[in-house]
Amino acid sequence: GAGVSQSPSNKVTEKGKDVELRCDPISGHTALYWYRQSLGQGLEFLIYFQGNSAPDKSGLPSDRFSAERTGGSVSTLTIQRTQQEDSAVYLCASSLTQRGGSTDTQYFGPGTRLTVL
Amino acid sequence: AQSVTQPDIHITVSEGASLELRCNYSYGATPYLFWYVQSPGQGLQLLLKYFSGDTLVQGIKGFEAEFKRSQSSFNLRKPSVHWSDAAEYFCVLDTGRRALTFGSGTRLQVQP
Repeated sequence: GAGVSQSPSNKVTEKGKDVELRCDPISGHTALYWYRQSLGQGLEFLIYFQGNSAPDKSGLPSDRFSAERTGGSVSTLTIQRTQQEDSAVYLCASSLTQRGGSTDTQYFGPGTRLTVL
Repeated sequence: AQSVTQPDIHITVSEGASLELRCNYSYGATPYLFWYVQSPGQGLQLLLKYFSGDTLVQGIKGFEAEFKRSQSSFNLRKPSVHWSDAAEYFCVLDTGRRALTFGSGTRLQVQP
């Protein structure tokens, strides 16, 4: 597609429920990132995928958070047993590649606004 | 550890006036720096980027930014602001270690 797409755009859930957020990166982009944007915390890195390599999960805040990327394209971020502090906008980004000490520009999707009641 | 500081949380300018948004970074090597803009309810859009070379970089929508190594700054400028520029602006540092480091953002309000 022309850009990164995310679904749903908004998600309201009850505390304790599981949610899945989806990201479709730009076609051909091998690197995919998840970030969280919340009041008081700004934008935080969550997880990174590059090709078939093991993901960098260093930013995941707890073991309730997990993500997978199927076929090197679409990614799903799953939050189990949601808590109110999980309420935030979850942003996905993709880049053409991520090479060693250099970098490539990350392009962001519109985000999913998650509200946990 | 690296960091990005945007000292102005909120700025208001009149339409047609010039704009400068400040950004300071802390990193021990040559940084890759970006400015992104986020309009209400929208994702982050890349305005411009600095990787190396010329210290003055041009971006979209008439924006430019100047990299000053001696001051660890990467300020964003626009000579004449339009009402549609009202948004939140993020200065971003990329050390090449995958995750971006974001500043806290500056919210720009444009008065008619």
